[in-house]
Amino acid sequence: EPEVTQTPSHQVTQMGQEVILRCVPISNHLYFYWYRQILGQKVEFLVSFYNNEISEKSEIFDDQFSVERPDGSNFTLKIRSTKLEDSAMYFCASSLGGDSSSYEQYFGPGTRLTVT
Amino acid sequence: DQQVKQNSPSLSVQEGRISILNCDYTNSMFDYFLWYKKYPAEGPTFLISISSIKDKNEDGRFTVFLNKSAKHLSLHIVPSQPGDSAVYFCAASAKDYNQGGKLIFGQGTELSVKP
Repeated sequence: EPEVTQTPSHQVTQMGQEVILRCVPISNHLYFYWYRQILGQKVEFLVSFYNNEISEKSEIFDDQFSVERPDGSNFTLKIRSTKLEDSAMYFCASSLGGDSSSYEQYFGPGTRLTVT
Repeated sequence: DQQVKQNSPSLSVQEGRISILNCDYTNSMFDYFLWYKKYPAEGPTFLISISSIKDKNEDGRFTVFLNKSAKHLSLHIVPSQPGDSAVYFCAASAKDYNQGGKLIFGQGTELSVKP
């Protein structure tokens, strides 16, 4: 069964460093998303991406964040200068889109980002 | 921002009995609702969804009920099994066919099914 994959599973970085989190969405999906979950809090939407551009972003997704689909399979989230409060689980998701049943989003296993 | 609320942080049920997980929402623009199951250190796993044009959707042991007038939905698991023990998240979306629809999540309910 197709699944969303994410690498690395755990990333430790120092404050101020750049990190890139990688995702491979399900191959025929057209919509891609990043969410995060700070420990003990809700899963929060960060950004959605469709047709090679950002379609929506949250207030969290400031200028320190960027997303890219560098090729036909990968979808990346870059944090340019990490802060302590960026420590969280980051989930990538994808959906097929097109009709109501295809808006179900399928999530990857997550990358735990720890900023020290 | 409490647009989606799951007021019960935990629920304990005996194996074989029914588990009922509840979710309330405030945004009347939501028109698609989903339930996800999550184990520790894993991503949310899609379980079942319902469009706002329906009031019930069933898939095996899982049934989701939607009461639009009350802005309330529930997930019924019958019969409950120990393997169902996990955190269950309710999520809602205001579909925009151009954007794909971000999901707004509730806080989650931890279900424990005891043998």
